[in-house]
Amino acid sequence: DAGITQSPRHKVTETGTPVTLRCHQTENHRYMYWYRQDPGHGLRLIHYSYGVKDTDKGEVSDGYSVSRSKTEDFLLTLESATSSQTSVYFCAISEAGQLMNTEAFFGQGTRLTVV
Amino acid sequence: KNQVEQSPQSLIILEGKNCTLQCNYTVSPFSNLRWYKQDTGRGPVSLTIMTFSENTKSNGRYTATLDADTKQSSLHITASQLSDSASYICVVGILTGGGNKLTFGTGTQLKVEL
Repeated sequence: DAGITQSPRHKVTETGTPVTLRCHQTENHRYMYWYRQDPGHGLRLIHYSYGVKDTDKGEVSDGYSVSRSKTEDFLLTLESATSSQTSVYFCAISEAGQLMNTEAFFGQGTRLTVV
Repeated sequence: KNQVEQSPQSLIILEGKNCTLQCNYTVSPFSNLRWYKQDTGRGPVSLTIMTFSENTKSNGRYTATLDADTKQSSLHITASQLSDSASYICVVGILTGGGNKLTFGTGTQLKVEL
């Protein structure tokens, strides 16, 4: 999986609690992305980063925030989890973005359940 | 509205047989088209990337075609194997001022049986 580690792999949390998902890469790629995958929908971009401390919103960013303090780590935070945020979350990396005919590599995903 | 539609939604074939998956898109301005394979419980893995000027690209037993005029793509799998059982996702890149924006299809679920 191209040196991408997502943690945790599975998490169950209660409505209203904060949750942070971590993506760690060993490829030194500049661009990192968070997607969510839901039944009946294609993967949808939540937020992405084009460098340390440089981030921008995707198409479904409401209720999510991100941070990137180091090249290798990209954190996704749900400030106050809701049941609609139950999903599988994927981190992706690429050398160029988004994604100029270059390969995008995906992590193994984090399955988040909000009860 | 930019959309990527895939057909069929699901498909069952016997090992050793060939199959073709379809992708139609209504995306503009087009930048590139990708096919990914996603095994159950794993992240997507890239199979091919094609730009406007390419109309076919192969990766082993996988061959993708692109007709930019009709906005259609297909993924042909030759001599299928049990390990080909997966979801195959068509992804179209839209050229924007900030680079590419990717629009994902919902995938075709392929099952290869003995």
